[in-house]
Amino acid sequence: DAGVTQSPTHLIKTRGQQVTLRCSPKSGHDTVSWYQQALGQGPQFIFQYYEEEERQRGNFPDRFSGHQFPNYSSELNVNALLLGDSALYLCASSSPDWNSPLHFGNGTRLTVT
Amino acid sequence: GDSVTQMEGPVTLSEEAFLTINCTYTATGYPSLFWYVQYPGEGLQLLLKATKADDKGSNKGFEATYRKETTSFHLEKGSVQVSDSAVYFCALVNTGNQFYFGTGTSLTVIP
Repeated sequence: DAGVTQSPTHLIKTRGQQVTLRCSPKSGHDTVSWYQQALGQGPQFIFQYYEEEERQRGNFPDRFSGHQFPNYSSELNVNALLLGDSALYLCASSSPDWNSPLHFGNGTRLTVT
Repeated sequence: GDSVTQMEGPVTLSEEAFLTINCTYTATGYPSLFWYVQYPGEGLQLLLKATKADDKGSNKGFEATYRKETTSFHLEKGSVQVSDSAVYFCALVNTGNQFYFGTGTSLTVIP
């Protein structure tokens, strides 16, 4: 039973560029959430997708956008990258229940230079 | 707003020592509470959860009890092993689907 898979594992981009991160949820899960984890910090909620719609959004600028596909996989797009966007980006899948535990992938380490 | 405050680390213990990592929360209503563990180079893994007051979550020798009167969810283990070395995160979710995480507590267990 495959868990949450994310790609790529590492990425280096230049300030001002755009990046796309990808996520496949755990089998049986239809809800995908994205989190940003800065070094030494806890994950911060970016947004959640359910039924191909953004269901909730955290306190992140519009440069952060996403998409969910009919097979429940998801993408996170970040435009106009800033140095401060360097972080570990975690995808988590769950069932739609509000308190369903999150199942995380191993993340994509993004470095902006 | 909702938030989690976690005991700062790092914590270093000898093998077989008793572990407590403190976690308190701020939330309206009745959130569900979780502990996650993160090993180096990996994502977070669910360790245990509790969904209502006085519930005790347990897994792999770890325990935590949901105390509404003290808004706490402290993690405990009676005898830690070297393999327990990791970063531990306390988290809550309220009705809004958004998880709130603490800043994490790094645990190192030495033989």
